[in-house]
Amino acid sequence: GEDVEQSLFLSVREGDSSVINCTYTDSSSTYLYWYKQEPGAGLQLLTYIFSNMDMKQDQRLTVLLNKKDKHLSLRIADTQTGDSAIYFCAERPYGSGNTGKLIFGQGTTLQVKP
Amino acid sequence: AAGVIQSPRHLIKEKRETATLKCYPIPRHDTVYWYQQGPGQDPQFLISFYEKMQSDKGSIPDRFSAQQFSDYHSELNMSSLELGDSALYFCASSTGLAGGTQYFGPGTRLTVL
Repeated sequence: GEDVEQSLFLSVREGDSSVINCTYTDSSSTYLYWYKQEPGAGLQLLTYIFSNMDMKQDQRLTVLLNKKDKHLSLRIADTQTGDSAIYFCAERPYGSGNTGKLIFGQGTTLQVKP
Repeated sequence: AAGVIQSPRHLIKEKRETATLKCYPIPRHDTVYWYQQGPGQDPQFLISFYEKMQSDKGSIPDRFSAQQFSDYHSELNMSSLELGDSALYFCASSTGLAGGTQYFGPGTRLTVL
């Protein structure tokens, strides 16, 4: 079955780059998402990538996908204190028989120190 | 832009009571997903609906039921509540049976005492 794994905690200094990593196990075509969750709040969609892509950039966010290793990373440039949150990687298998449910990783808590 | 609306935002119930959570998807979205997020955990898929029919079912207890109505809003009914049901319940909406990008509501925080 599908499984998504993330490291649990990352601490960086304001202005540095943050890199949050995720691995997934599904072998078929899949969409991979990054969501941000602030304390007690909902899930905010940040960006996503399809498994036939290598990279996607959106302002301060860069997503890199290594299909061979099934490894996904989210890089946040010039990290700000407002970026402190939990970041969830999620997989949505695509294709016949799939109904779109998301499988989430455990979430990575990003702590940004001033 | 309109977002997913969930009500109520907070709900406190006693054990063995019932609760009803409501979800109003983004206009023109025909698919609704329900997820449960326990304290310190990742969201877990419960159930989904496409065009008012159940499309998938995850780890949803038999005490829970859900449906999607003709206006595409959805309700999650929870009976015989247990302490372990205390969680954040998220609804997400998208278009199409196979999914599409899911946009999440703010969640309903259910506390069972």
